[in-house]
Amino acid sequence: EVQLVESGGGLVQPGGSLRLSCAASGFTFRSYSMNWVRQAPGKGLEWVSYISSSSSTIYYADSVKGRFTISRDNAKNSLYLQMNSLRDEDTAVYYCARELPGNAGFQHWGQGTLVTVSS
Amino acid sequence: SYELTQPPSVSVSPGQTASITCSGDNLGDKNACWYQQKPGQSLVLVIYQDRKRPSGIPERFSGSNSGNRATLTISGTQAMDEADYYCQAWDSSTAGWVFGGGTKLTVL
Repeated sequence: EVQLVESGGGLVQPGGSLRLSCAASGFTFRSYSMNWVRQAPGKGLEWVSYISSSSSTIYYADSVKGRFTISRDNAKNSLYLQMNSLRDEDTAVYYCARELPGNAGFQHWGQGTLVTVSS
Repeated sequence: SYELTQPPSVSVSPGQTASITCSGDNLGDKNACWYQQKPGQSLVLVIYQDRKRPSGIPERFSGSNSGNRATLTISGTQAMDEADYYCQAWDSSTAGWVFGGGTKLTVL
């Protein structure tokens, strides 16, 4: 069974940093591209970042470019999101998601971890 | 930037057909997919590559995509289908995934 378990969320002050993790199991992690998606309270979905299976290709949404860094450790079956210079508007539930090949969508999602940016 | 537009809400009676639209420039040239999200839960992929159903998704869920519009159709809608639905597509010009704003489906 495919499982994605996010961790690392919490309360942080504006300007602060946080590192999210996503532990993957039940599939060959190194073979799949991964993404982070966020959802502000009561709002819709916003794609945050993409990383290819080998980490050779990385993309970011304009809203986080220069502040967030996506990475992965295929030996540890783990995906990460380093978030710096956090702003109030970064408050959201952050999901990791496994992509289907060929830009076909996100086949599996984690349960999410809540990040709250507030003073 | 590329945008996908969905109606905020759709209502349907039990047993009837619900149609949820997703509009975007030349969306038919892209692969559209759809997600279901129930309150307090994570996302479930219900349609990918315009019309394909992942394993475990009921046959009453179907999709189409042509021109500037993709459509998620739920035939014989059941109370358990009440949820938020989001469309999504990959925008190669900006190298990013784009989501629609979401549609709240009410079964009443």
